[in-house]
Formats: sequence, C-alpha cells, structure tokens
Amino acid sequence: DSGVTQTPKHLITATGQRVTLRCSPRSGDLSVYWYQQSLDQGLQFLIQYYNGEERAKGNILERFSAQQFPDLHSELNLSSLELGDSALYFCASSSGTSGIVHEQYFGPGTRLTVT
Amino acid sequence: TQLLEQSPQFLSIQEGENLTVYCNSSSVFSSLQWYRQEPGEGPVLLVTVVTGGEVKKLKRLTFQFGDARKDSSLHITAAQPGDTGLYLCAGVGDNYGQNFVFGPGTRLSVLP
Repeated sequence: DSGVTQTPKHLITATGQRVTLRCSPRSGDLSVYWYQQSLDQGLQFLIQYYNGEERAKGNILERFSAQQFPDLHSELNLSSLELGDSALYFCASSSGTSGIVHEQYFGPGTRLTVT
Repeated sequence: TQLLEQSPQFLSIQEGENLTVYCNSSSVFSSLQWYRQEPGEGPVLLVTVVTGGEVKKLKRLTFQFGDARKDSSLHITAAQPGDTGLYLCAGVGDNYGQNFVFGPGTRLSVLP
C-alpha cells in the first residue's frame, strides 16, 4: 500500500459527460501528479501541483482541469468526454521539497470507460 | 523537452535467464528512478539512483546510473515469473521534482 488513495476505482460514463477523479496524497507529501495511461501505453504526464499551486503542465487537454485543495487532496476534472479518453488515470505524490530525491508514490488508479 | 527512451520495448525470456534493459536520454537528470508496474495497478518504485556511476542492488536486480547521468540500466539475474511486468524508468530534471519524465517502458515476460 503506497498510502495514496484514489476514488472511484472504476467509472463508466457516456460521451459528452463530465467526471471528477479524486486523489489523496501520502501523509506529508505536498506534491501531486496526474497521469493518463491508455491500453498498453506508457504513462503520459498531465499536470503537477505543489501545495495548492500548479507547478508543471504536460500534455493535458483543454477539456481537462485539475486543482489541489488546502487539505492537499486533488481532483482531476474531465469534461466533454470522448471515447479516446478511456484510460487508467493515476495520481502520484511526492514530498516536493527542494534538494532531496523526489520519489513518486502511485495510487491504484481510476479506470475510466467512456461508452 | 527531456525525453527518455527504453529498450527493448518487449522482452520474453525463460525462467532462470539473465537480462538487461536500458534507459537512455540526451539530457542530464538530477536523479533517475525505476518502477515496476503490473497490469491494472499503479507503478511501484524499485530504486532511485542519484550519483553518476552509482550501482545499487536489490536482491537479483542491479541498477546502474551512467557516469554522465544521462542513462541507466537494469540487470536481472536468474529471472523468475514474478519479475513479469512493465519496467519504467523516470528521470527528474531538477531539485523541485519538476520535469519528471517517464520512459515508455520495457514489457518483460518471464515464462516458467
């Protein structure tokens, strides 16, 4: 158990809909990362937050948005869903503190199926 | 943009064989990590290497960071079916955990 929790574990929805994925980082970690992994693909970095502020952005679509709340949990919002958005979505956390090795700890993922 | 390449993309071997997988980049990383991912689960951190030329051992797994901190290798001795999975390397570009880049992975299958 990595200490990172993600809900829900599975999500099935229709095209055009909007969903919210939730992530709680490990206790004490300030940084949260979101990744998308399509079938048999590597991890695609979407976005990183550190202590409530956006720190880095990857290949995140404009239909997707995220935020990190004062209690450090994070939500990833996916809107106007398309079939191609079906994937595993992972959240990871790290300490985010400067000067130390940044090791990411991954949650179990949310499997999104768009029909 | 920092990119990581991994080779081979796929590897299927018999139990008891040795193997090496590679992670390469043209960029320098402050540290590099290896993860293993099993189907439907999140990646699990195996090791972090920080110093150029560093070698770390984890049971039958040996990890090496290149002298120039641009590449790394993972060697598995006497592979077992439990080693099956997707092996991902990840490079960290700076001290704030930004520019965190994952390679595409090597998918290893160890047959009994």
